[in-house]
Amino acid sequence: DTAVSQTPKYLVTQMGNDKSIKCEQNLGHDTMYWYKQDSKKFLKIMFSYNNKELIINETVPNRFSPKSPDKAHLNLHINSLELGDSAVYFCASSHTETQYFGPGTRLLVL
Amino acid sequence: DQQVKQNSPSLSVQEGRISILNCDYTNSMFDYFLWYKKYPAEGPTFLISISSIKDKNEDGRFTVFLNKSAKHLSLHIVPSQPGDSAVYFCAASETGTASKLTFGTGTRLQVTL
Repeated sequence: DTAVSQTPKYLVTQMGNDKSIKCEQNLGHDTMYWYKQDSKKFLKIMFSYNNKELIINETVPNRFSPKSPDKAHLNLHINSLELGDSAVYFCASSHTETQYFGPGTRLLVL
Repeated sequence: DQQVKQNSPSLSVQEGRISILNCDYTNSMFDYFLWYKKYPAEGPTFLISISSIKDKNEDGRFTVFLNKSAKHLSLHIVPSQPGDSAVYFCAASETGTASKLTFGTGTRLQVTL
């Protein structure tokens, strides 16, 4: 009955690899988000999609590409992974101002 | 440029007492504010919110106060319980920005027995 789920929970990979993180929400929300929590525990928005349309794109490197196949899913693909990409990535969804978060994906780039 | 600040990285409170967590913001366009609670290895969990048209919102043991002139909000937890021990994040958004949340850096609350 998880409202916002993410897979995988942990991801360890080598520099230069390409990886994807998946997010699904069963709340019927129209809007989904990706946030990054860096080593200083600072949560910052990366992207937002509303009804499969990109509406927020913060200053994120082009190596990061979100994809929303339908309203319930928002995936994050990362090309050519760098050491600095190591972080926790959170997916969230909302219908109004309140956002509901997934459990996070802990990415470690070696 | 941090627009939402939580100046106390940690707070320790005895069980049964009041916990007061503070948050300051600089962007006067923010008109909706939220508090999230986060346990280790979990995502942030929504706790309580307040719109800028109000100065107080209460939900059980949790009350959020907003002082717009001071650009300050606070979360009061009464009485504090050991299960409240977590990191608390303040967040703010501006109407018309597609609910983009700007977060503070969090305050770690420890409720002791």
